[in-house]
Amino acid sequence: NAGVTQTPKFRILKIGQSMTLQCTQDMNHNYMYWYRQDPGMGLKLIYYSVGAGITDKGEVPNGYNVSRSTTEDFPLRLELAAPSQTSVYFCASSYSGQTTGELFFGEGSRLTVL
Amino acid sequence: AQRVTQPEKLLSVFKGAPVELKCNYSYSGSPELFWYVQYSRQRLQLLLRHISRESIKGFTADLNKGETSFHLKKPFAQEEDSAMYYCALSGVTGRRALTFGSGTRLQVQP
Repeated sequence: NAGVTQTPKFRILKIGQSMTLQCTQDMNHNYMYWYRQDPGMGLKLIYYSVGAGITDKGEVPNGYNVSRSTTEDFPLRLELAAPSQTSVYFCASSYSGQTTGELFFGEGSRLTVL
Repeated sequence: AQRVTQPEKLLSVFKGAPVELKCNYSYSGSPELFWYVQYSRQRLQLLLRHISRESIKGFTADLNKGETSFHLKKPFAQEEDSAMYYCALSGVTGRRALTFGSGTRLQVQP
């Protein structure tokens, strides 16, 4: 049981380049999230999804896009990379039942924009 | 707006000493509070949640609505408790996303 899988683990981008962070989960969770974590800071929500075909903005969505065509996958797209997007990105998923709060996280993707 | 504050970036104690990791929150409604932990080279994972009133690995946390706090406590620290600890709040219904504090690194020295 892999849980939440993120790729790549590390990436260096040049300013203006684009890339997609992949996230897939095998737990049949309806809820999925993308967070970013800057050094010394907490995790900030970028985008989330409550099910296939439904996405919504979190606290810091600017510069990112997401899609949710299947229950399993929730890719995060950076269109024009900027140094301010240097961060560690975490994908997470959760069960959509009554129990709240348990998010299952991926290992994180460290992105550097130079 | 909801907010979680963890005032200490680093807490260093000796093995066997009591531990208290502080967490204060700001939220106008009835929040749900959680503690997450990240051990070295492991994923962020749920440690405990206030609604369960449970003790996990000897840790407990009590929600104090009057002081808007949810401090994490353990009477006798162990070396394996060394990790990053994040307090988190769920306040916006429907999306189930969490608001995280900036984290406290706990170092338990032998």
